[in-house]
Amino acid sequence: QSALTQPASVSGSPGQSITISCTGTSSDVGGYNYVSWYQQQPGKAPKLMIYEVSSRPSGVSNRFSGSKSGNTASLTISGLQAEDEADYYCSSYRSSNTLVFGGGTKLTVL
Amino acid sequence: EVQLVESGGGLIQPGGSLRLSCAASGFTVSSKYMTWVRQAPGKGLEWVSFIYSGGSTFYADSVKGRFTISRDNSKNTLYLQMNSLRAEDTAVYYCAKGDTAHDYWGQGTLVIVSS
Repeated sequence: QSALTQPASVSGSPGQSITISCTGTSSDVGGYNYVSWYQQQPGKAPKLMIYEVSSRPSGVSNRFSGSKSGNTASLTISGLQAEDEADYYCSSYRSSNTLVFGGGTKLTVL
Repeated sequence: EVQLVESGGGLIQPGGSLRLSCAASGFTVSSKYMTWVRQAPGKGLEWVSFIYSGGSTFYADSVKGRFTISRDNSKNTLYLQMNSLRAEDTAVYYCAKGDTAHDYWGQGTLVIVSS
């Protein structure tokens, strides 16, 4: 069960926008609108930021947005802030009642 | 307030067994889909298992036949029975509410498989 593909790292300056990609196949990202994004701070449990490709849970800043095109989903963070520095993971439902995560992306705020 | 509290982790020898617990409050475990996710030291998240509200269970290939997910409705608690443990099972194990999107997570419990 291979993981979804994410860049290992991305960086941006405060105020800028960054986008993290998450590439899968037609059996997961491309086939279902069940892509989620999580933020994980060091030593903490993951926090849900986006679900069902582009929906935001209550309490999550509208600076976070999600989208999908074909087999690739994307998380965009606008107006980058120092507190956004963290690891980000995508996940997708995969056929046959399984779930797959991406390898994770380390976001550095310069 | 929704809370998930895992317990049961520890140091175990290869081939041994361990049962993790996830005590829930603020909602009813039996009415929700629940998930176990693990994270090896310094590595990414890995899905381990689902249990659906109807009781159906699903597993990652890496644990199929060795791990069993279950729940005790009277205790509102989720479990993960782990048998035939291997070094590569060393990880922090999280329980999470939901199946495709996890809005609540426990704090995690560390399992170390080593002789």
